[in-house]
Amino acid sequence: GDSVTQMEGPVTLSEEAFLTINCTYTATGYPSLFWYVQYPGEGLQLLLKATKADDKGSNKGFEATYRKETTSFHLEKGSVQVSDSAVYFCALRPHGGTSYGKLTFGQGTILTVHP
Amino acid sequence: NAGVTQTPKFQVLKTGQSMTLQCAQDMNHEYMSWYRQDPGMGLRLIHYSVGAGITDQGEVPNGYNVSRSTTEDFPLRLLSAAPSQTSVYFCASSPTEGTVNFGPGTRLTVT
Repeated sequence: GDSVTQMEGPVTLSEEAFLTINCTYTATGYPSLFWYVQYPGEGLQLLLKATKADDKGSNKGFEATYRKETTSFHLEKGSVQVSDSAVYFCALRPHGGTSYGKLTFGQGTILTVHP
Repeated sequence: NAGVTQTPKFQVLKTGQSMTLQCAQDMNHEYMSWYRQDPGMGLRLIHYSVGAGITDQGEVPNGYNVSRSTTEDFPLRLLSAAPSQTSVYFCASSPTEGTVNFGPGTRLTVT
């Protein structure tokens, strides 16, 4: 079945540091890929997405590129802020059929940014 | 739009009790689903629905029932709560090919 693997956390950075959170996936066909963010005490918010190979999703300074050859969707940000402290989830959604509402998530990566 | 709403926000149950977690969406989305979030395990799909009257099991359905009598509502029932069901529960909805929207979550503790 489908699966998503994220890098082990937690990740602790200083403000303005470069961030990479690795995500790899296993799926048949051509899934859509997502990064969700969960701030303390809140639900999940969509951060960015990519629906086909070589697409780059971007939002709030975060970027991720859909790499089919390496089955990866790594999240990057050039300069993190304290307000980026949250849990980040990589997820995939299968293509087509009745699968549009079904997401498979990675285990989540806790990011803490210090001033 | 209120988006996806969930009630209650917090709940404490004793082992063996039953309860229903409520979920509603006002976006006329076809797809609705329930996930549970446990530390170190991400979110796992419990049940989902592709429209009124149609439901199916996800990855971890045991101990939970669902029904979808209207497009708007998708309640999750715990028939006999167990400590292993202590978790944070998220309801979600999406249109066909659209973004999955999550509710604020219900934190359930079973003692």
